This record gives sequence, structure tokens and C-alpha cells, in this order.
Amino acid sequence: AQSVTQPDIHITVSEGASLELRCNYSYGATPYLFWYVQSPGQGLQLLLKYFSGDTLVQGIKGFEAEFKRSQSSFNLRKPSVHWSDAAEYFCAVGATAGGGADGLTFGKGTHLIIQP
Amino acid sequence: ETGVTQTPRHLVMGMTNKKSLKCEQHLGHNAMYWYKQSAKKPLELMFVYSLEERVENNSVPSRFSPECPNSSHLFLHLHTLQPEDSALYLCASSKAGGTWTEAFFGQGTRLTVV
Repeated sequence: AQSVTQPDIHITVSEGASLELRCNYSYGATPYLFWYVQSPGQGLQLLLKYFSGDTLVQGIKGFEAEFKRSQSSFNLRKPSVHWSDAAEYFCAVGATAGGGADGLTFGKGTHLIIQP
Repeated sequence: ETGVTQTPRHLVMGMTNKKSLKCEQHLGHNAMYWYKQSAKKPLELMFVYSLEERVENNSVPSRFSPECPNSSHLFLHLHTLQPEDSALYLCASSKAGGTWTEAFFGQGTRLTVV
């Protein structure tokens, strides 16, 4: 069975500082990997995705993520955070781009707090 | 504007009520999903419809009943719910077929069962 682990429940970062959110996955085949962001009271917005090819993927809002097969990781990074980045971040894995018949499997999320 | 619209945004219902959640997508997708998001738990897949056929129900209690009349609309009919069913219910859509696309989510319906 596939699973996603986000080891950090909360992370606090100063505005302007760099950010790395961790994600480890367990999946038997080549995974489709995603990072979604959720602001309070809102749905999920796709930040970036990895399907194949270059292991460093660029997303919206200045985010990037690196797929490391040997470590089963897909960590999200941003060089300089803004106060508007405060939100809940979810890593997800699926058998296909949309998740297919099994849908996507999500981690529990990391709550990002930005200090002024 | 996400392309996936859910109504209502908020719903309070008693345990004996019957209500329905609605989801509509304008993205030309042909797969639709219901997810449940409870506090302190990962998002849980409830139902998947691909090409208007249900392909997964993930052992969801029968008090939740999905309906997908066409590829653009998805409903979740609710009856005799329990307080633990209070959660954010998220609808998503994607394109199914030879090349699946990523899932786009609606803003969710916040359900409170009293």
C-alpha cells in the first residue's frame, strides 16, 4: 500500500528565510508526486508535480521540489518565504496524474507559520 | 476561480436530516472524486467516478451516497449522519484515459453535524 509521511507537523520560518518541507513516500512503482497548498477555509491548490524526467521540478509561487528515488523523498523548497506563504502544505502520491481509480494518497500536512 | 465549484460552502445539519453536496467542474474532465478532510487526519478518498462510472468507494458508510449524472456534475447525498462525519468535504476532478492529468480541487463544503 502506498503512504506519505510528512514528519514536520508545524514549521516556523522568518519572512525572507529559506524553507524546506520534507516528504517521504512509500510506493511500489514509479510514483506520481505532488505538493498542494491549502489556505484557511479553502480547497487545495496544486503547487507542483513530478511525473518523470528532470528530478528538480519548478512550481508556482517560486516553489521547487526535488525527487530523490534513493531516499524516497520529494522535499519542497523555497529560497525566500513571504508572509502570504503561511498555509498548510500537503504532499501526495498517486498511480497516475489524477490518482486514477485509487485517488491520491496524502500526508497529514505541514502547517507553515511565517514570523515577521 | 479553480474550475471546480462546490456548493454549499457551509452546511449545518441534524442527524436525522437529508442533504446533498454538489460539485461542478468546467475543465472538460471525465473523472471526479470525493475526499473527506477531518482534523488531524490525512485526506481520505471516499469515491471515484471515471467516465461517470463509480470505480472506488473505499468502504464508505452507506449514509454517504454519491451520484454522478454526467461528467461535469457530482453529488454526495447525506442522510442520518453522525457527529464524527463533521469535516471538510472536497471534490476534485481530473482527466482520465490514456494520459491522466493532475487533480484540481474545489474549495470544499464545511459540514457540521449536530
